[in-house]
Amino acid sequence: DVKVTQSSRYLVKRTGEKVFLECVQDMDHENMFWYRQDPGLGLRLIYFSYDVKMKEKGDIPEGYSVSREKKERFSLILESASTNQTSMYLCASREAGVGQYTQPQHFGDGTRLSIL
Amino acid sequence: DAKTTQPTSMDCAEGRAANLPCNHSTISGNEYVYWYRQIHSQGPQYIIHGLKNNETNEMASLIITEDRKSSTLILPHATLRDTAVYYCIVRVYNQGGKLIFGQGTELSVKP
Repeated sequence: DVKVTQSSRYLVKRTGEKVFLECVQDMDHENMFWYRQDPGLGLRLIYFSYDVKMKEKGDIPEGYSVSREKKERFSLILESASTNQTSMYLCASREAGVGQYTQPQHFGDGTRLSIL
Repeated sequence: DAKTTQPTSMDCAEGRAANLPCNHSTISGNEYVYWYRQIHSQGPQYIIHGLKNNETNEMASLIITEDRKSSTLILPHATLRDTAVYYCIVRVYNQGGKLIFGQGTELSVKP
């Protein structure tokens, strides 16, 4: 089974702090994603990565950056945390596969981040 | 992007089959349908996906109508642990094939 592990289930930080969210997958997947999930807004894509050292902006990249130095690890960075970044953050990975994006994404259990 | 419509909530008796419908009338010919579920405070769990043929795996069956405008997820013997929000998704092609979750169906399995 695919295992996507997020470093923390719950995290509390203060405004202005630099926050690191870590995600590791054990299936040698090429593609990785960071989403945030908010009530009434569904899932929104922050950044994704096709492969090591590659990254693309999603729908809401402002205030975030990412790092993918190794294939199994995809980090989300909040440069200067603000209260509107309080949310559930979800990491996902996907095998690149033969068909265009046809393989399913597999998610971690999420990090519930509170910015005070 | 093809949109999906699902009932807001459904109940199912434990041990019975749960049939969750989804309408995706604007789906294009090469777009896949995916089903995920999310149990409270956990990440979404992949269940199954298909293009036009019916699919079955150890978790569920997916029935897609011939015109592909709707589908049904079937949990053959629902248990209390199947209580969750179920999302029907038609995958987009841009932005790495990102997933767009709608409101989903809240399935309650009752003893």
